[in-house]
Amino acid sequence: EVQLQQSGAELVKPGASVKLSCKTSGYTFSNYYMSWLKQMPGQNIEWIGNIYGGNGGTGYNQKFKGKATLTVDKSSSTAYMDLSSLTSEDSAVYFCARLIKQGFDYWGQGVMVTVSS
Amino acid sequence: DTVLTQSPALAVSLGQRVTISCRASKSVSTYMHWYQQKSGQQPKLLIYSASNLESGVPSRFSGSGSGTDFTLTIDPVEADDIANYYCQQSNELPLTFGSGTKLEIK
Repeated sequence: EVQLQQSGAELVKPGASVKLSCKTSGYTFSNYYMSWLKQMPGQNIEWIGNIYGGNGGTGYNQKFKGKATLTVDKSSSTAYMDLSSLTSEDSAVYFCARLIKQGFDYWGQGVMVTVSS
Repeated sequence: DTVLTQSPALAVSLGQRVTISCRASKSVSTYMHWYQQKSGQQPKLLIYSASNLESGVPSRFSGSGSGTDFTLTIDPVEADDIANYYCQQSNELPLTFGSGTKLEIK
């Protein structure tokens, strides 16, 4: 069974950084892309970027370049996303999701990031 | 970027048929996918590549369209279908989603 398990909720101060994790199981991590997505409360879903599990190659939405950095640890089949210089506009739920040609077929449960002093 | 436009909300009676539309600002061929998101949950893939039913999804759900105009149909609607529905294109980067259609029961 494919599973994507995300880390717990984060409360961070403005200007700080946070690292989110997405631990996978049930499939060959290195054969697939992992995406990260943002959803602000009651709002649309935004694609942040992709990372390939095999070689760590990345592709970013221009909107999130400089804000998000995607990495992987193949040894633990885990994807990570660093978010830097956090502001209130970064307060949102963040999802990891496995990307295939036919869309996002498996999703993590989401993690709430709250930026507040 | 490819902008996807959806109606904000639809109200339907249980047992009836509902069609949710998604219009793309440019052609996406059939690289359109549909998701269901219930309150407090992650999205769930329902339909991929415009008209293909994802494994495990009830046959009450179907999709159609190509180019710029797409529809998701639920027939018949059940109480469990109350959710937000999003279209998403994978024809070009950045990948984009519609703003979602909230399905409500009359």
